[in-house]
Amino acid sequence: GNSVTQMEGPVTLSEEAFLTINCTYTATGYPSLFWYVQYPGEGLQLLLKATKADDKGSNKGFEATYRKETTSFHLEKGSVQVSDSAVYFCALISGSARQLTFGSGTQLTVLP
Amino acid sequence: GAGVSQSPSNKVTEKGKDVELRCDPISGHTALYWYRQSLGQGLEFLIYFQGNSAPDKSGLPSDRFSAERTGGSVSTLTIQRTQQEDSAVYLCASSLASERGYEQYFGPGTRLTVT
Repeated sequence: GNSVTQMEGPVTLSEEAFLTINCTYTATGYPSLFWYVQYPGEGLQLLLKATKADDKGSNKGFEATYRKETTSFHLEKGSVQVSDSAVYFCALISGSARQLTFGSGTQLTVLP
Repeated sequence: GAGVSQSPSNKVTEKGKDVELRCDPISGHTALYWYRQSLGQGLEFLIYFQGNSAPDKSGLPSDRFSAERTGGSVSTLTIQRTQQEDSAVYLCASSLASERGYEQYFGPGTRLTVT
């Protein structure tokens, strides 16, 4: 079956630090990969996505590259801001499934 | 335009009672999903609807859970004889279609507490 393993949190960084949140997956077929973000008190929002190997998704300074050889989709940002404090979820859709399979989420806190 | 809306935002109920949770998807979205977010289990898929096709109920945890979607729009998730382990945030999402290239837009969720 499909599964997503995500770096455990919480992660606490200072403003302008470099961020990496690791995500690896197991899937049948060739999945589409996603990062969702949940800001405090808000619903889940799509942050970025990649639908085939070597694709790079990017948005708001965040990037993630679909690595088929390592089955990974790590999230990176070169310089985090306090406003990036949120919970980040890695997710996939694969095979005949139409629903998202999520990782456990990583709580990020950025301190000024 | 308006996003996905859910009601109520919070629901406290006694063990053994039935509850109904409502989801209003984005207008024109043919696919609708229900997920559950709980501390112990993370984010889990429950059920999804696509147009007039039979729903995919493969994620429903027990026969106490059911959902319907009327007129291809509003959906109601019903939990009968609620148990404490049903306490969670129930999330609804919709998308233009169910093909995986289409983004799922999430509502703010309903926080259910079973006492």
